[in-house]
Order: sequence, then C-alpha cells, then structure tokens
Amino acid sequence: AQSVTQPDIHITVSEGASLELRCNYSYGATPYLFWYVQSPGQGLQLLLKYFSGDTLVQGIKGFEAEFKRSQSSFNLRKPSVHWSDAAEYFCAVGASNDYKLSFGAGTTVTVRA
Amino acid sequence: GAVVSQHPSWVICKSGTSVKIECRSLDFQATTMFWYRQFPKQSLMLMATSNEGSKATYEQGVEKDKFLINHASLTLSTLTVTSAHPEDSSFYICSASDEGSPGADTQYFGPGTRLTVL
Repeated sequence: AQSVTQPDIHITVSEGASLELRCNYSYGATPYLFWYVQSPGQGLQLLLKYFSGDTLVQGIKGFEAEFKRSQSSFNLRKPSVHWSDAAEYFCAVGASNDYKLSFGAGTTVTVRA
Repeated sequence: GAVVSQHPSWVICKSGTSVKIECRSLDFQATTMFWYRQFPKQSLMLMATSNEGSKATYEQGVEKDKFLINHASLTLSTLTVTSAHPEDSSFYICSASDEGSPGADTQYFGPGTRLTVL
C-alpha cells in the first residue's frame, strides 16, 4: 500500500527566507508524486508533479521539488517565500495503474514579516 | 483550462435532512471523479471514485447508503449526504480526471463545499 509522511506539522518562516517542506513516501514501484497547496477554505491547487525523467521538477509560484529515490523523498523548496505563500501544503503519491491519490497529513506554513 | 466547480460552496442544514453537492468539470470531460472528505486540520480522505454511467466505488468504511454518488454525465457528479448528522459536518472536495492512462493523469480539484449539520 502506498503512503505519504510529512514530518513537519507546522513551519514558520520569515518573508524572504527559504522554505523546504519534507515528504517521504512508501510505494512498491515508481511513484507518481504531487505537491498541492490549499489556502484557507479553498480547494487544492497543484504546484508540481513528478512522473519520470528529470528528478528536479519546477512548479508554479517559484516552487521546485526534487525526487530522491534512494531516500524515498520528494521535498518541496522555494528560495524566497512571500507572505502569500502562507497556506497548507500537501504531498501526495499516486499509483502507476490507478487514479487514486494518497495524501500526507499536510504542513501548515506561516510566514512572518 | 481544467476547471472544476462545486456547488454550493457552503451549506448549513438541520440534522436528519439530506444535502446534495454538485461537482462539475467546466472545460473538459471527466471520465472519473473523486470525492474526498477533509476534517479540520487534517488531510484529505478519499471517500469514493465514480465513473460516468457506472456505480461508484466506495472506500472501506464509507457508508454507501449514507453518501450517495451519482455520475450521470461526463461533466457532473453529485454527492448526496442522506439523513445528515452533526458528525457529517466536514469539508467535501471533489476532483476530476480527464482522459489518459490510469495513474498518469492529474486530478483537478474543486474549491470544496463546507457542510455544517446542526
């Protein structure tokens, strides 16, 4: 069975500082990996996804993520956060032969001035 | 492109009544739609998967008779919470996948519906 762990429940970062959100997955084959962002009371917006190829994936809003098979990780990064980046971030893993997505518990990001 | 809408965005109902939530794909045909439930400060939990014209497939522990799902067309799926109770209060989010190889598609998420049962 596939599963996702986001070790950090809450991260506080200063505006302009760098941000890294951790994601570890468990899956028997090559996973399809996703990062989503959810603003309060809103649905999910896809930031980026990895299916195959280059392990460093660029997404929207200046985010990037790196797939490391040896560490079963897909960490999300942003060099310089903006106040508008304050939100809930979810990592998700999908199977290669199924539409289902399994989500991590999420990481809440607070941006301080 | 790839916009999914939900209606209503929020609803308050009395205990014992039924509530219908609509999920529409606005600019693509959604062969598969998904319904998730999200409790406060928690992640999304998949409730069921529906394919157009077929019966929905429910996840373990989800009551089929309580959460009725209908996927009557390639652009519309509905979730009806029957005989709602306060414990059904939650944020319900739908998503839709366009055509493609299973597992290779990205799910497009709706904005969610906040259900409060009094």
